Amino acid sequence: DTAVSQTPKYLVTQMGNDKSIKCEQNLGHDTMYWYKQDSKKFLKIMFSYNNKELIINETVPNRFSPKSPDKAHLNLHINSLELGDSAVYFCASSQGRSLGQTQYFGPGTRLLVL
Amino acid sequence: GENVEQHPSTLSVQEGDSAVIKCTYSDSASNYFPWYKQELGKGPQLIIDIRSNVGEKKDQRIAVTLNKTAKHFSLHITETQPEDSAVYFCAASRAGGSYIPTFGRGTSLIVHP
Repeated sequence: DTAVSQTPKYLVTQMGNDKSIKCEQNLGHDTMYWYKQDSKKFLKIMFSYNNKELIINETVPNRFSPKSPDKAHLNLHINSLELGDSAVYFCASSQGRSLGQTQYFGPGTRLLVL
Repeated sequence: GENVEQHPSTLSVQEGDSAVIKCTYSDSASNYFPWYKQELGKGPQLIIDIRSNVGEKKDQRIAVTLNKTAKHFSLHITETQPEDSAVYFCAASRAGGSYIPTFGRGTSLIVHP
């Protein structure tokens, strides 16, 4: 009965490769997000989708392309991976734009680029 | 945009002591302030939140206080236990406009048995 799930949990790959991370939420939420957490634990918003529509794109290189096939899924595709992309990536969801935005986070995908 | 400062970055206490983590925010229109706990190897999870029409909220051993005038809010954990050891994040957001919460940089709480 996992609320927000991500696959894979670990991803080790070579520089220059292309990889995807998948996210699914079963909470019926309208809004989904991708965050990047660096080695100092700083949580940085990357993208936000509301009802499959891109709402927020926070100065992320265009090598990163989110895709939302439906409201319950938000996948992240990364082209030409670089060493600096190594981080933990969290997917999250929230109910929408009503007052208060409690975010439900997935378990994270630990990406290591060699 | 909103700016959230969180202190301290690391907090070490003995089991049974209290722990206090403080955050300040810059946008006076922010009206929702959640706190998240991130255990090792997991994603952040909401532990308590407070809205701007309330000054204090308590849930068992954790409490949050909000001072809208000074634009700061704090997390208080009493009778700390080793399982409270984690990274804690504060956040601030508002309904409408930019509804994405702005997170503080996190506090690593270590509770020594």
